Amino acid sequence: GAGVSQSPRYKVAKRGQDVALRCDPISGHVSLFWYQQALGQGPEFLTYFQNEAQLDKSGLPSDRFFAERPEGSVSTLKIQRTQQEDSAVYLCASSFSRRSSYEQYFGPGTRLTVT
Amino acid sequence: SQQGEEDPQALSIQEGENATMNCSYKTSINNLQWYRQNSGRGLVHLILIRSNEREKHSGRLRVTLDTSKKSSSLLITASRAADTASYFCATDVYAGNNRKLIWGLGTSLAVNP
Repeated sequence: GAGVSQSPRYKVAKRGQDVALRCDPISGHVSLFWYQQALGQGPEFLTYFQNEAQLDKSGLPSDRFFAERPEGSVSTLKIQRTQQEDSAVYLCASSFSRRSSYEQYFGPGTRLTVT
Repeated sequence: SQQGEEDPQALSIQEGENATMNCSYKTSINNLQWYRQNSGRGLVHLILIRSNEREKHSGRLRVTLDTSKKSSSLLITASRAADTASYFCATDVYAGNNRKLIWGLGTSLAVNP
C-alpha cells in the first residue's frame, strides 16, 4: 500500500460515547503499534500487535481502551465511555520487522476531541 | 511514561545555519531513533543508531550516541525552511519479553527563510 492510513482523521465525541478508530497498516507489515499523543508531548505507547497477537498492552490507560487486529492486518482501537482526558491524537504505526523496535511507519493520526 | 528529554525544547535559526538537538535518556537501550513530525507529513523516521555505534550520517543529518552519558545529538547542517518541524528521539528498550520505543517530548525547530 501507499502508506499507513487511519480513519477518521477527526472525531468529536460527547463524554460517555464509545468511539472506534481504524488503522490500515502497510501491506505485509507484521508489527502494528498504537500510540497516544497529547498536545506538545511525544507519543506514548499504548499497545503492540505481531500479526493478530496482541503481545503488549501495557500502555492502555484503562479497561475502557481495547484494541484488536483479528486477521493480522487492519486494527481497531476502541474507547468506551470516553472521558475528556481521552482527547488526544491517536497514532498508528506499522513495521516490517517482527522486532518491535525497528523503523516504524506512521499514519496521519486520528484527532479525538471529547466534549 | 517518557524516557527521553530533548534539549532545547524550542530552537529558531536562519536558513543555512546548523541546528543541534540533544536527547538524554535514563535506562539502557538497544538503539536510539530520531523522528520528525510536521503537520504535513506526520511522524517520519529519520535515522537509527545502534547502542554499539557512536556516529551515523544520513544526508544532512549527523547523529552521535554516547552510551556512557546516556545522550544523543542530532545535527542538521545547512538547514532549510522545510526542516521546520518537531524532532523526537525514541529509545528502544527491553520491556518484559518485548522491546518498545519510549519517546521524548521533542524539540520544536523553526527555520526562518
